[in-house]
Amino acid sequence: GNSVTQMEGPVTLSEEAFLTINCTYTATGYPSLFWYVQYPGEGLQLLLKATKADDKGSNKGFEATYRKETTSFHLEKGSVQVSDSAVYFCALVRLGYSTLTFGKGTMLLVSP
Amino acid sequence: NAGVTQTPKFQVLKTGQSMTLQCAQDMNHEYMSWYRQDPGMGLRLIHYSVGAGITDQGEVPNGYNVSRSTTEDFPLRLLSAAPSQTSVYFCASSGGRPNEKLFFGSGTQLSVL
Repeated sequence: GNSVTQMEGPVTLSEEAFLTINCTYTATGYPSLFWYVQYPGEGLQLLLKATKADDKGSNKGFEATYRKETTSFHLEKGSVQVSDSAVYFCALVRLGYSTLTFGKGTMLLVSP
Repeated sequence: NAGVTQTPKFQVLKTGQSMTLQCAQDMNHEYMSWYRQDPGMGLRLIHYSVGAGITDQGEVPNGYNVSRSTTEDFPLRLLSAAPSQTSVYFCASSGGRPNEKLFFGSGTQLSVL
């Protein structure tokens, strides 16, 4: 079956630091990959996605590249802000069913 | 444009009580699903539907029932609530096209005492 593994948190950074959150997956076929973000007290918002190998998804300064050879989809940002503090979820879609398999989430805390 | 609407936002139940979590979407999406979020566990799929009249079990279906009589609505029923069902519940919908994102509701926080 499908599974997603992402690094445990919390990840604590100072403002303007470089961010990497690791995500690896196991799946049948080549599903689309997603990063969702959950701000405190809110629901999930799509941050970015990639639909095929070597695709790079990007949004709000965040990037992730779909790496088929390493089955990875690591999230990166060059300079984090306090407002980026949230929980980040890596996920993949079950093709044909539109359901998601999520990683356990990584909390990011950014201090001024 | 309301998107995916979940009600209630908060609910406290006693063990053994029943209740229905409501989920409605106004985007004419065929695909809908329910997830629960627990600390350190991420989100796990409870039940899903690929269209009106069609439902199936996800990863953690025990203790929950669903039905899909209309395209718009996908209620989640707890027949006899247990403390292990204390969680935050999210409903999601999608048009089902390849690579399309899921739209999430704002969640229902449920406590079972």
